[in-house]
Amino acid sequence: ETGVTQTPRHLVMGMTNKKSLKCEQHLGHNAMYWYKQSAKKPLELMFVYSLEERVENNSVPSRFSPECPNSSHLFLHLHTLQPEDSALYLCASSQDTYGGYTFGSGTRLTVV
Amino acid sequence: KQEVTQIPAALSVPEGENLVLNCSFTDSAIYNLQWFRQDPGKGLTSLLLIQSSQREQTSGRLNASLDKSSGRSTLYIAASQPGDSATYLCAVRPTGGTASKLTFGTGTRLQVTL
Repeated sequence: ETGVTQTPRHLVMGMTNKKSLKCEQHLGHNAMYWYKQSAKKPLELMFVYSLEERVENNSVPSRFSPECPNSSHLFLHLHTLQPEDSALYLCASSQDTYGGYTFGSGTRLTVV
Repeated sequence: KQEVTQIPAALSVPEGENLVLNCSFTDSAIYNLQWFRQDPGKGLTSLLLIQSSQREQTSGRLNASLDKSSGRSTLYIAASQPGDSATYLCAVRPTGGTASKLTFGTGTRLQVTL
């Protein structure tokens, strides 16, 4: 399989649950990203990992916890979320300075 | 701070028309510009990537141009089809860093009618 794969595609969770989103890229890229897309809002960058080290965290609430065990995998651990966290969560990857981004299909998260 | 604007915000055209989507950015210090397509509730599909040294890129019925000095890019869609209906996003990648983050535009929602 090629490209960027995200699982699950859809997730419904209660505010007290703990769940994880998974992203996997088969492109040999060396940077991976989590973006959040809420209704009628532009894409928001959440986390950036380059060569498995987190290089940027845009003051995202601590109820979102990223993990990058290797250059091909990226997780977003979720706990005690709020209804306003319901959104489409997109994973992306890129290679070096000149490369374009490749996005996954996203996980549609609903917090009830 | 880089700002990316897309005009128009929404566009409805009959099938078969040629159309132009516009993207402007405030800081010309970019490595590349990328056009994406997003269907409702889905992820982003990359359409075209233009490096800062390039003037245009073509893929099928799509042609994207870049004028870095004036901070503008256009996406030209020839002979539009109903399947082209989607939101089109442009994003610029700034100079510096392996993991330099994209700045996205606000998007143009395109509807192609029969």
